[in-house]
Amino acid sequence: DAKTTQPPSMDCAEGRAANLPCNHSTISGNEYVYWYRQIHSQGPQYIIHGLKNNETNEMASLIITEDRKSSTLILPHATLRDTAVYYCIVRAFYNTDKLIFGTGTRLQVFP
Amino acid sequence: SAVISQKPSRDICQRGTSLTIQCQVDSQVTMMFWYRQQPGQSLTLIATANQGSEATYESGFVIDKFPISRPNLTFSTLTVSNMSPEDSSIYLCSVVRDTGNEQFFGPGTRLTVL
Repeated sequence: DAKTTQPPSMDCAEGRAANLPCNHSTISGNEYVYWYRQIHSQGPQYIIHGLKNNETNEMASLIITEDRKSSTLILPHATLRDTAVYYCIVRAFYNTDKLIFGTGTRLQVFP
Repeated sequence: SAVISQKPSRDICQRGTSLTIQCQVDSQVTMMFWYRQQPGQSLTLIATANQGSEATYESGFVIDKFPISRPNLTFSTLTVSNMSPEDSSIYLCSVVRDTGNEQFFGPGTRLTVL
C-alpha cells in the first residue's frame, strides 16, 4: 500500500471549516483513500473513503485531486468535539482489509 | 456499524506475567485484527485473527509473544506473554463485517507493565 504524508498538527477555530491535507504521491490505480480519526483514549473511528471522485457524508467531505496524488478532508463546521488525530490511509480494495496507520494530523479546534 | 467490547479495559501487570485480552463483537464479522498503540504513537498492526486457523502476523510480531485465538466469527483473544515494561500500550481489536467495507475498532485495553 502507498505511503501517506500529513502535517503533524493543525489548529482550527470552532465553526470554521477544517481542511486536512494528505499527500499520497505513489498511489496506484486500485488504491482507495481512507480517513479515520482517533479522539483521545478511544478507538479510531471511520470517517470517509474514496477512489477518485469527491465524496461527502454526514461527517465530512473528501476532495481527491485529479492526479490522485493528494487529497483533503474537509470538516465543514468544526466543533470542539472534532479535536482528534486524523489518519489518512491508502489501501487497495482487494487487499486483506488491514489498515496501515501513519503518524496522522493532530487537529486542535479552539473556541 | 458493529458493537465491539474488550475485556479488561485496563490492567496493571508485573513483568514476566501474561495477560489475555478478549474481544467480543455483537454480530458475525469476516475479519478481525489486533493493533498496538504505544504511548504517544500511532497504531501498529500486530496480526490478523483467522477463524479456525493460526493468525497471520505482521513483521516484528511472533506467535510465541502474542498468541491469538479466534474460535468463531464473533470472538477473539490476544495474549501478551512474558511481559516487560516495553509492552505497556493500548491494545485494540478491530473488525470488518464484509470484505472491502469500513473497519470498526473496539475501545481498547490499556496495559501497564511494571
